[in-house]
Amino acid sequence: DAKTTQPPSMDCAEGRAANLPCNHSTISGNEYVYWYRQIHSQGPQYIIHGLKNNETNEMASLIITEDRKSSTLILPHATLRDTAVYYCIVRGTGANSKLTFGKGITLSVRP
Amino acid sequence: GAVVSQHPSRVICKSGTSVKIECRSLDFQATTMFWYRQFPKKSLMLMATSNEGSKATYEQGVEKDKFLINHASLTLSTLTVTSAHPEDSSFYICSARGLGRDQETQYFGPGTRLLVL
Repeated sequence: DAKTTQPPSMDCAEGRAANLPCNHSTISGNEYVYWYRQIHSQGPQYIIHGLKNNETNEMASLIITEDRKSSTLILPHATLRDTAVYYCIVRGTGANSKLTFGKGITLSVRP
Repeated sequence: GAVVSQHPSRVICKSGTSVKIECRSLDFQATTMFWYRQFPKKSLMLMATSNEGSKATYEQGVEKDKFLINHASLTLSTLTVTSAHPEDSSFYICSARGLGRDQETQYFGPGTRLLVL
């Protein structure tokens, strides 16, 4: 599976949009981009995933560039409860595919 | 999203004893389950992958005789840490994916914190 690169940390103000970047320049055609987050001392929480089209759900939006080499997770109105480590992971399909976690990006939402 | 539970949420045991951790998928059939371990301030590290009814596949460096994994049904997997030692103290997290609304997405349990004295 392709590796991803994320900045180590970022912060944003409560109520503002949080835009979390991810670089996955070696992604291959059948690999999906997944985003999870982990709030302190809890298991990771699934947020969203996509292949090449932009995706939106009740939690976030995922914007994938046309060349698929990078993506951005957007939390439209960040709250203090969104403070967490966010992981961008590239994963293929099939029974043997698995999620490999990097260091993620620590998002701090300030009041 | 799908729900995955773990039991117990935390456990303290003496060195040399064995500890069993259960992982259940509550609203879908988990054809594949994963066990991760996380040390403080570190990221999750995959320990093993198991398919229902098959032997688990362990990642490099993970001792299969120490970390026994059983995936006997489509809703239950267990991880047994045998002869636990203080260095096995960690946060153990299971994950599952399978038949249901979204077969490709992995859902995670809340984790089990193990402390070996």
